[in-house]
Amino acid sequence: GENVEQHPSTLSVQEGDSAVIKCTYSDSASNYFPWYKQELGKGPQLIIDIRSNVGEKKDQRIAVTLNKTAKHFSLHITETQPEDSAVYFCAAIESGNTPLVFGKGTRLSVIA
Amino acid sequence: GAGVSQSPSNKVTEKGKDVELRCDPISGHTALYWYRQSLGQGLEFLIYFQGNSAPDKSGLPSDRFSAERTGGSVSTLTIQRTQQEDSAVYLCASSLLFADTQYFGPGTRLTVL
Repeated sequence: GENVEQHPSTLSVQEGDSAVIKCTYSDSASNYFPWYKQELGKGPQLIIDIRSNVGEKKDQRIAVTLNKTAKHFSLHITETQPEDSAVYFCAAIESGNTPLVFGKGTRLSVIA
Repeated sequence: GAGVSQSPSNKVTEKGKDVELRCDPISGHTALYWYRQSLGQGLEFLIYFQGNSAPDKSGLPSDRFSAERTGGSVSTLTIQRTQQEDSAVYLCASSLLFADTQYFGPGTRLTVL
């Protein structure tokens, strides 16, 4: 089955700097890669996703890149703000076949 | 539109008691998932329902855990004879189609004393 590893487990950045979170997956058949943000006391919320037919996707200050050959994908947050502080989860799936497999999460702290 | 809702938001119970946690998925979503999240940990898959198919119970940690989904909509996760190690946040998610984008509810925080 799929296995997703996520690094780092914690990340502190200064406000305005960039943050990068990386995930690797094991199943080459995986073709859908969402990222979730979980704020304290809330459920995870989808922030961006990418499918295997594209290499990069951007939405304002966040972007995700995918390298299918190396089987890794990354979340990039630019111009970080204190409200970006949260736990971020990556996930991978072979769409239509199995439930999402999540990484263990990255706790991002943006220091003002 | 309305998102996934869960009730109660918090539940405190005594060891050995049974608890029921409820999930109302997004209307029209055919798939529903339950996860458990221990303090500061990741998401542990418990069970999913896909349309009218038999649920995948492969993630349930013991036979004290069960879940049902009535009428293809609301789901209830039941934990019998609760133990202290059952204390966690229980998250529900739904998706329009199976293995599609999942939308999560706010979770139920269960505390077993």
